[in-house]
Amino acid sequence: GDSVTQMEGPVTLSEEAFLTINCTYTATGYPSLFWYVQYPGEGLQLLLKATKADDKGSNKGFEATYRKETTSFHLEKGSVQVSDSAVYFCALGDSNYQLIWGAGTKLIIKP
Amino acid sequence: GAVVSQHPSWVICKSGTSVKIECRSLDFQATTMFWYRQFPKQSLMLMATSNEGSKATYEQGVEKDKFLINHASLTLSTLTVTSAHPEDSSFYICSARPPGSNTEAFFGQGTRLTVV
Repeated sequence: GDSVTQMEGPVTLSEEAFLTINCTYTATGYPSLFWYVQYPGEGLQLLLKATKADDKGSNKGFEATYRKETTSFHLEKGSVQVSDSAVYFCALGDSNYQLIWGAGTKLIIKP
Repeated sequence: GAVVSQHPSWVICKSGTSVKIECRSLDFQATTMFWYRQFPKQSLMLMATSNEGSKATYEQGVEKDKFLINHASLTLSTLTVTSAHPEDSSFYICSARPPGSNTEAFFGQGTRLTVV
C-alpha cells in the first residue's frame, strides 16, 4: 500500500542554517503531497502542498517540490529561525482522500 | 483557514473508565471527520472515518466496540474510549474536511490521553 518515509529526528540546527527534511513516498496513482507542522502545544497546520509532479509548494520561506522521478517531497528552508522549532509531518493524500503520514521529524533551532 | 476544536486537550483517567473526546468544526460543516492516533515517535495512524448520520468506517485492526465514534451533526464528532487501559494511552487527533476540498483537512489540537 501507499506509504511515506521521512527522516528521523530530532534535527538540531543553529539559527540561519539551511534546512532539509527528507521525505519519500510510495504510491499507486498520482497522490497529492503535503507538509504539515505542529508547533509546541498546538494542533497540526498545513504548511504547504503540491498536487502534481513538478509542482512546488511554498509558504513561510519553506519549499518542497513534488519529484515523481525520485518519489520525493523534501522540505527546505534557506535560513531557519528559532520560531521554526516544531514537528514536521510529510503526508500524501490517496485516491480515497485520506492522508497517509510519515513519522514526523522534530526540528530544534538553537539561537 | 478553517478551525477545528478538539476537547479536552489532555485527560487522565483510571483503568476501566470511559473517556469521551469531542471534535468540532467551528466555522464550516464537515460531512466527514477523521480520527487519528499517534504513538510516540510514530506516524499518525488513521483509526476511523466518521460520516455524519451514518456509522463510522474503521481501519483494520481498530476495535469499533472499544473506540466508539459518533457523528451526530455536521459540526461535531465524538470518540469514546470505552473501558480504557494503559495501552490506550496515546495522542488522539481529529480532522475535518470542508465540503469541496479534495484532500486538504484541518486538524484539532489533539488530546493526550493517559490511563493509569
